[in-house]
Amino acid sequence: ETGVTQSPTHLIKTRGQQVTLRCSSQSGHNTVSWYQQALGQGPQFIFQYYREEENGRGNFPPRFSGLQFPNYSSELNVNALELDDSALYLCASSVGTGWVFGPGTRLTVL
Amino acid sequence: AQSVTQLGSHVSVSEGALVLLRCNYSSSVPPYLFWYVQYPNQGLQLLLKYTSAATLVKGINGFEAEFKKSETSFHLTKPSAHMSDAAEYFCAVTGPFGGTASKLTFGTGTRLQVTL
Repeated sequence: ETGVTQSPTHLIKTRGQQVTLRCSSQSGHNTVSWYQQALGQGPQFIFQYYREEENGRGNFPPRFSGLQFPNYSSELNVNALELDDSALYLCASSVGTGWVFGPGTRLTVL
Repeated sequence: AQSVTQLGSHVSVSEGALVLLRCNYSSSVPPYLFWYVQYPNQGLQLLLKYTSAATLVKGINGFEAEFKKSETSFHLTKPSAHMSDAAEYFCAVTGPFGGTASKLTFGTGTRLQVTL
Protein backbone atom coordinates (compact mmCIF):
# COMPACT_ATOMS: atom_id res chain seq x y z
CA GLU A 1 0.00 0.00 0.00
CA THR A 2 1.31 3.43 -0.91
CA GLY A 3 -0.94 5.31 1.52
CA VAL A 4 -2.60 8.68 1.03
CA THR A 5 -0.38 11.67 0.41
CA GLN A 6 -1.23 15.36 0.50
CA SER A 7 0.53 18.47 -0.71
CA PRO A 8 1.61 20.94 0.34
CA THR A 9 2.23 20.25 4.01
CA HIS A 10 1.79 23.84 5.04
CA LEU A 11 0.42 26.87 3.23
CA ILE A 12 0.00 30.53 4.12
CA LYS A 13 -2.45 32.69 2.20
CA THR A 14 -4.06 36.06 2.67
CA ARG A 15 -7.76 36.78 2.91
CA GLY A 16 -9.48 36.87 -0.48
CA GLN A 17 -6.97 34.64 -2.23
CA GLN A 18 -7.66 31.25 -3.76
CA VAL A 19 -5.96 27.97 -2.82
CA THR A 20 -5.71 24.46 -4.26
CA LEU A 21 -4.86 21.50 -2.08
CA ARG A 22 -3.94 18.14 -3.54
CA CYS A 23 -4.38 14.56 -2.50
CA SER A 24 -3.14 11.31 -3.97
CA SER A 25 -5.16 8.28 -2.94
CA GLN A 26 -4.25 4.62 -2.83
CA SER A 27 -4.62 2.77 -6.11
CA GLY A 28 -8.11 1.30 -6.41
CA HIS A 29 -9.66 3.63 -3.84
CA ASN A 30 -12.41 5.17 -5.93
CA THR A 31 -14.02 7.20 -3.15
CA VAL A 32 -12.33 10.26 -1.68
CA SER A 33 -13.54 12.66 0.97
CA TRP A 34 -12.22 15.94 2.28
CA TYR A 35 -12.48 17.16 5.85
CA GLN A 36 -11.72 20.43 7.59
CA GLN A 37 -10.34 20.28 11.11
CA ALA A 38 -10.23 23.59 12.92
CA LEU A 39 -7.92 23.90 15.89
CA GLY A 40 -9.18 21.94 18.88
CA GLN A 41 -12.13 20.43 17.02
CA GLY A 42 -13.03 17.21 15.28
CA PRO A 43 -12.87 16.96 11.49
CA GLN A 44 -15.90 18.26 9.60
CA PHE A 45 -17.03 16.67 6.33
CA ILE A 46 -16.66 18.97 3.32
CA PHE A 47 -17.58 16.71 0.40
CA GLN A 48 -17.10 13.29 -1.13
CA TYR A 49 -16.32 12.13 -4.64
CA TYR A 50 -17.04 8.73 -6.13
CA ARG A 51 -15.65 7.90 -9.57
CA GLU A 52 -15.07 11.59 -10.33
CA GLU A 53 -18.57 12.73 -9.37
CA GLU A 54 -19.51 14.62 -6.19
CA ASN A 55 -21.97 12.44 -4.28
CA GLY A 56 -22.17 14.13 -0.92
CA ARG A 57 -21.56 17.53 0.58
CA GLY A 58 -21.42 18.91 4.09
CA ASN A 59 -22.41 22.33 5.34
CA PHE A 60 -19.80 24.26 3.39
CA PRO A 61 -20.42 27.13 0.94
CA PRO A 62 -19.95 26.78 -2.84
CA ARG A 63 -16.57 28.50 -2.70
CA PHE A 64 -15.32 25.11 -1.52
CA SER A 65 -15.11 22.92 -4.60
CA GLY A 66 -13.31 19.81 -5.66
CA LEU A 67 -12.22 17.52 -8.43
CA GLN A 68 -11.35 13.84 -8.59
CA PHE A 69 -9.23 12.46 -11.40
CA PRO A 70 -9.02 8.96 -12.96
CA ASN A 71 -5.53 8.43 -11.51
CA TYR A 72 -6.94 8.48 -7.92
CA SER A 73 -5.76 12.02 -7.26
CA SER A 74 -8.05 14.81 -6.16
CA GLU A 75 -8.11 18.53 -5.42
CA LEU A 76 -9.82 20.81 -2.97
CA ASN A 77 -10.21 24.38 -4.14
CA VAL A 78 -11.20 27.24 -1.89
CA ASN A 79 -11.99 30.65 -3.35
CA ALA A 80 -12.20 34.00 -1.57
CA LEU A 81 -10.37 32.76 1.50
CA GLU A 82 -11.61 33.90 4.89
CA LEU A 83 -9.77 33.94 8.20
CA ASP A 84 -12.00 31.11 9.48
CA ASP A 85 -10.74 28.88 6.68
CA SER A 86 -7.53 28.47 8.66
CA ALA A 87 -7.48 24.76 9.53
CA LEU A 88 -5.98 21.37 8.85
CA TYR A 89 -7.48 19.91 5.68
CA LEU A 90 -7.59 16.13 5.55
CA CYS A 91 -8.11 13.90 2.58
CA ALA A 92 -9.37 10.34 3.05
CA SER A 93 -9.83 7.55 0.55
CA SER A 94 -11.85 4.38 0.81
CA VAL A 95 -12.59 1.08 -0.72
CA GLY A 96 -14.72 -1.30 1.30
CA THR A 97 -15.37 -0.49 4.93
CA GLY A 98 -12.49 1.72 5.90
CA TRP A 99 -11.12 5.19 5.40
CA VAL A 100 -7.40 5.91 5.11
CA PHE A 101 -6.42 9.47 5.94
CA GLY A 102 -3.56 11.51 4.61
CA PRO A 103 -1.32 13.60 6.87
CA GLY A 104 -3.19 16.80 6.04
CA THR A 105 -2.40 20.28 4.78
CA ARG A 106 -2.19 23.04 7.36
CA LEU A 107 -3.68 26.21 5.84
CA THR A 108 -3.18 29.55 7.53
CA VAL A 109 -5.14 32.55 6.27
CA LEU A 110 -3.82 35.94 7.31
CA ALA B 1 -28.74 11.80 10.73
CA GLN B 2 -25.81 10.53 12.72
CA SER B 3 -23.79 11.95 15.58
CA VAL B 4 -21.35 10.94 18.26
CA THR B 5 -20.75 12.37 21.70
CA GLN B 6 -17.42 11.95 23.40
CA LEU B 7 -17.67 12.42 27.15
CA GLY B 8 -14.66 14.20 28.57
CA SER B 9 -12.51 16.47 26.45
CA HIS B 10 -9.48 15.63 28.62
CA VAL B 11 -8.63 12.38 30.35
CA SER B 12 -5.53 11.88 32.47
CA VAL B 13 -4.27 8.47 33.58
CA SER B 14 -1.11 7.15 35.16
CA GLU B 15 1.22 4.96 33.16
CA GLY B 16 0.07 1.36 33.59
CA ALA B 17 -3.49 2.32 34.50
CA LEU B 18 -6.65 1.46 32.60
CA VAL B 19 -7.60 3.75 29.75
CA LEU B 20 -11.33 4.33 29.19
CA LEU B 21 -12.50 6.83 26.58
CA ARG B 22 -16.25 7.17 26.20
CA CYS B 23 -18.26 7.46 23.01
CA ASN B 24 -22.01 7.40 22.53
CA TYR B 25 -23.60 7.46 19.11
CA SER B 26 -26.87 8.30 17.47
CA SER B 27 -27.78 6.83 14.12
CA SER B 28 -30.95 6.28 12.11
CA VAL B 29 -29.32 3.40 10.22
CA PRO B 30 -27.15 0.52 11.41
CA PRO B 31 -23.91 2.28 12.28
CA TYR B 32 -20.34 1.63 11.45
CA LEU B 33 -18.15 3.00 14.24
CA PHE B 34 -14.51 3.96 14.32
CA TRP B 35 -11.85 5.17 16.69
CA TYR B 36 -9.02 7.26 15.32
CA VAL B 37 -5.91 8.60 17.03
CA GLN B 38 -4.18 11.85 16.12
CA TYR B 39 -0.70 12.73 17.28
CA PRO B 40 0.37 16.39 17.24
CA ASN B 41 0.68 17.87 13.77
CA GLN B 42 -0.30 14.60 12.11
CA GLY B 43 -3.28 13.11 10.32
CA LEU B 44 -5.67 10.47 11.64
CA GLN B 45 -4.67 6.87 12.22
CA LEU B 46 -7.31 4.18 12.47
CA LEU B 47 -7.24 2.31 15.78
CA LEU B 48 -10.20 0.01 15.19
CA LYS B 49 -13.60 -0.23 13.54
CA TYR B 50 -16.96 -1.91 14.09
CA THR B 51 -18.75 -2.95 10.92
CA SER B 52 -21.59 -5.16 12.26
CA ALA B 53 -19.51 -8.28 12.84
CA ALA B 54 -18.20 -9.10 16.33
CA THR B 55 -19.29 -6.59 18.98
CA LEU B 56 -15.90 -6.69 20.73
CA VAL B 57 -13.37 -5.19 18.38
CA LYS B 58 -9.63 -5.40 18.87
CA GLY B 59 -7.40 -2.78 17.33
CA ILE B 60 -3.81 -1.75 17.16
CA ASN B 61 -1.54 -0.89 20.09
CA GLY B 62 -3.57 -2.98 22.55
CA PHE B 63 -6.80 -0.97 22.24
CA GLU B 64 -10.23 -2.51 22.03
CA ALA B 65 -13.84 -1.32 21.97
CA GLU B 66 -17.20 -2.94 22.56
CA PHE B 67 -20.31 -2.07 20.57
CA LYS B 68 -23.33 -1.99 22.88
CA LYS B 69 -26.51 -1.34 20.93
CA SER B 70 -28.69 -1.16 24.05
CA GLU B 71 -26.51 1.63 25.44
CA THR B 72 -25.67 3.19 22.04
CA SER B 73 -22.06 3.16 23.14
CA PHE B 74 -18.69 2.31 21.69
CA HIS B 75 -16.19 3.00 24.47
CA LEU B 76 -12.46 2.59 23.85
CA THR B 77 -10.32 0.77 26.41
CA LYS B 78 -6.75 -0.29 26.99
CA PRO B 79 -5.74 -2.31 30.06
CA SER B 80 -2.43 -0.56 30.65
CA ALA B 81 -1.57 2.95 29.46
CA HIS B 82 1.81 3.75 28.00
CA MET B 83 3.41 7.15 27.66
CA SER B 84 3.24 6.80 23.88
CA ASP B 85 -0.58 6.65 24.08
CA ALA B 86 -0.74 10.39 24.83
CA ALA B 87 -2.65 11.84 21.88
CA GLU B 88 -6.07 13.06 20.72
CA TYR B 89 -8.67 10.35 20.17
CA PHE B 90 -11.71 10.71 17.95
CA CYS B 91 -14.79 8.53 17.75
CA ALA B 92 -16.62 8.57 14.42
CA VAL B 93 -19.79 7.09 12.96
CA THR B 94 -20.99 6.41 9.45
CA GLY B 95 -23.75 4.51 7.75
CA PRO B 96 -23.36 1.58 5.38
CA PHE B 97 -20.64 2.22 2.84
CA GLY B 98 -21.59 3.53 -0.56
CA GLY B 99 -23.09 6.86 -1.41
CA THR B 100 -23.40 9.80 0.91
CA ALA B 101 -24.11 7.60 3.91
CA SER B 102 -20.44 6.73 4.13
CA LYS B 103 -19.25 10.15 5.28
CA LEU B 104 -17.68 10.11 8.72
CA THR B 105 -19.21 12.18 11.50
CA PHE B 106 -16.66 12.80 14.23
CA GLY B 107 -16.93 13.59 17.88
CA THR B 108 -15.13 16.56 19.37
CA GLY B 109 -12.24 14.45 20.54
CA THR B 110 -10.69 13.42 23.85
CA ARG B 111 -7.15 14.38 24.72
CA LEU B 112 -5.45 11.59 26.63
CA GLN B 113 -2.64 12.54 28.98
CA VAL B 114 -0.45 9.82 30.48
CA THR B 115 1.55 10.67 33.57
CA LEU B 116 4.38 8.85 35.34
